[in-house]
Amino acid sequence: AQKITQTQPGMFVQEKEAVTLDCTYDTSDQSYGLFWYKQPSSGEMIFLIYQGSYDEQNATEGRYSLNFQKARKSANLVISASQLGDSAMYFCAMREGYTNAGKSTFGDGTTLTVKP
Amino acid sequence: EAQVTQNPRYLITVTGKKLTVTCSQNMNHEYMSWYRQDPGLGLRQIYYSMNVEVTDKGDVPEGYKVSRKEKRNFPLILESPSPNQTSLYFCASSPGQGTNTGELFFGEGSRLTVL
Repeated sequence: AQKITQTQPGMFVQEKEAVTLDCTYDTSDQSYGLFWYKQPSSGEMIFLIYQGSYDEQNATEGRYSLNFQKARKSANLVISASQLGDSAMYFCAMREGYTNAGKSTFGDGTTLTVKP
Repeated sequence: EAQVTQNPRYLITVTGKKLTVTCSQNMNHEYMSWYRQDPGLGLRQIYYSMNVEVTDKGDVPEGYKVSRKEKRNFPLILESPSPNQTSLYFCASSPGQGTNTGELFFGEGSRLTVL
């Protein structure tokens, strides 16, 4: 069975600083995908970044990067140069297989607060 | 505009009164899924569908039914709602097998209260 663990219920960061949100996962599958979503207070789910289990390079999308350490089964999200608009809930998630078509599992989320 | 549309967005109902939450996507996606979000528990998958007439249970399917008769629609049915099904529900879709972007496209959510 898949499991996602986010150990930081809440995080604070100063505006313009970088922050790392932790995510560890557990799976017996060889092929899987890892991704991060942002949920602002308005409630919508916003896709941030994706990493496939066979991707050797860490994924990057603008100010977001995913620090993928396969042996440690971790997929931490790094946000560089934090902005006030980054204050939100962040979810780490995993889905089976090397496609979007399998079962998916989400972590409990980390609430990030960016201080001015 | 590419989107996933859920209805109703808000609903208050009573125990035992059957209800359906509709979900429709206009992106010709093969994969659709339902999640519920409860405080401190993240999103938990209820059911998912890899294509028309193909559905599978997620982690919390008890008390829910789904059907996928058409590619664009994936309704969530609560035959006899109970208070523990009070939650925020999300429908999501993605292109399905053969793609690897990982992106799920989410609806805006449906907040359901069962009294």
